[in-house]
Amino acid sequence: DAEITQSPRHKITETGRQVTLACHQTWNHNNMFWYRQDLGHGLRLIHYSYGVQDTNKGEVSDGYSVSRSNTEDLPLTLESAASSQTSVYFCASSEDVLAAYNEQFFGPGTRLTVL
Amino acid sequence: KQEVTQIPAALSVPEGENLVLNCSFTDSAIYNLQWFRQDPGKGLTSLLLIQSSQREQTSGRLNASLDKSSGRSTLYIAASQPGDSATYLCAVASGGSYIPTFGRGTSLIVHP
Repeated sequence: DAEITQSPRHKITETGRQVTLACHQTWNHNNMFWYRQDLGHGLRLIHYSYGVQDTNKGEVSDGYSVSRSNTEDLPLTLESAASSQTSVYFCASSEDVLAAYNEQFFGPGTRLTVL
Repeated sequence: KQEVTQIPAALSVPEGENLVLNCSFTDSAIYNLQWFRQDPGKGLTSLLLIQSSQREQTSGRLNASLDKSSGRSTLYIAASQPGDSATYLCAVASGGSYIPTFGRGTSLIVHP
């Protein structure tokens, strides 16, 4: 069955370190998204991609970067981790913006703690 | 900018009740609306997606309706069970980027 996987599932790091969260989907979807979920803020979009070599900033992109070198993967990098980036991170994918039934599917999440 | 509101924020009901969760949005020019379920500590699971041309979708005990003109969607859960306890989120795709905007969710507890 097609799925989205995220790794690691839990990560503890220190302020100032570079951290990369992995997202891999086997749906062969063009669109991929990264969100963070925090109490009081709900889900907020960090970055998204409509296909290979395409990346776009979301509403909370400062301090984060992504790159899309293939269809299956969209890694999220925290350049210099800050305590404010402690959160649960979700990756999602959907088929294509022009698809008639553009359902979004989510990964299980990564809980990141920055000390 | 699309804004999505879900009321109530929390709901507690006895098992067996039929219940309605509400989702309202400010921009009626939408592409689709999707309902999700999220269990504590888990990711989001897609429940139903309604395209802009549709009025409702059904899956088992769940029925979602869409009224674009009034900017509202409802998720109807029939004969609620304790296993339905979770947070329910709606997401509305609109605007040139097709990016879904999420509501804050309704936290549902169904007690035996």
